[in-house]
Amino acid sequence: IEMTQSPSSLSASVGDRVTFTCQASQDITNYLNWYVQKPGKAPKLLIYDASIPETGVPSRFSGSGSGTHFTFTITSLQPEDIGTYYCQHYDHLPPTFGGGTKVEIE
Amino acid sequence: QVHLVESGGALVKPGGSLRLSCTASGFNFSEYYMAWIRQAPGKGLEWVAYMSGSDDYYFKHTESVKGRFTISRDNAKNSLFLQMNSLRVEDTAVYYCVRVSGGFWGQGALVTVSS
Repeated sequence: IEMTQSPSSLSASVGDRVTFTCQASQDITNYLNWYVQKPGKAPKLLIYDASIPETGVPSRFSGSGSGTHFTFTITSLQPEDIGTYYCQHYDHLPPTFGGGTKVEIE
Repeated sequence: QVHLVESGGALVKPGGSLRLSCTASGFNFSEYYMAWIRQAPGKGLEWVAYMSGSDDYYFKHTESVKGRFTISRDNAKNSLFLQMNSLRVEDTAVYYCVRVSGGFWGQGALVTVSS
């Protein structure tokens, strides 16, 4: 299964609403994770099952979608949110990843 | 809590070999599929190999490492391994040990292949 993220990068201001997408090459129902990766660190799980936030994840982060089209939203961008966001399916093995969306502050 | 710690990363010459290890704790290791995921410098995430928890020890390697890398595990020692032979410059990456279910990752082990 191929996972395609867009855009590959974006720049926004603090407080902005930010949205980016992940498209699967075939139906993965809701078997989708969203991660954020900071430089030099391992990816950190934010959302699983496409829309369920991991424990402790700030409420400004949310995910939606099912089937082949998924969306990740940050309702009010904060400086600490900069990083690269990856989607990853787990409909079946292997668990493939999207190419990432790099989020920067203007 | 779940904890994964990789070791064995190093600088190695092209054609050389290296064995990565991952020690797991905080969960019943034998019940879970485990995987190695790598990230080349400045690039995205790529699965390398995965292995089932027990019973049949089913495993699979990505095409680019078939015949060179071998994933294995020792459930008695809560450990996952990646034997890497015939290393190439393009294998240079941070290698992460990952529990497939639940999104748990180790801190990564840097493998640099260079002459």
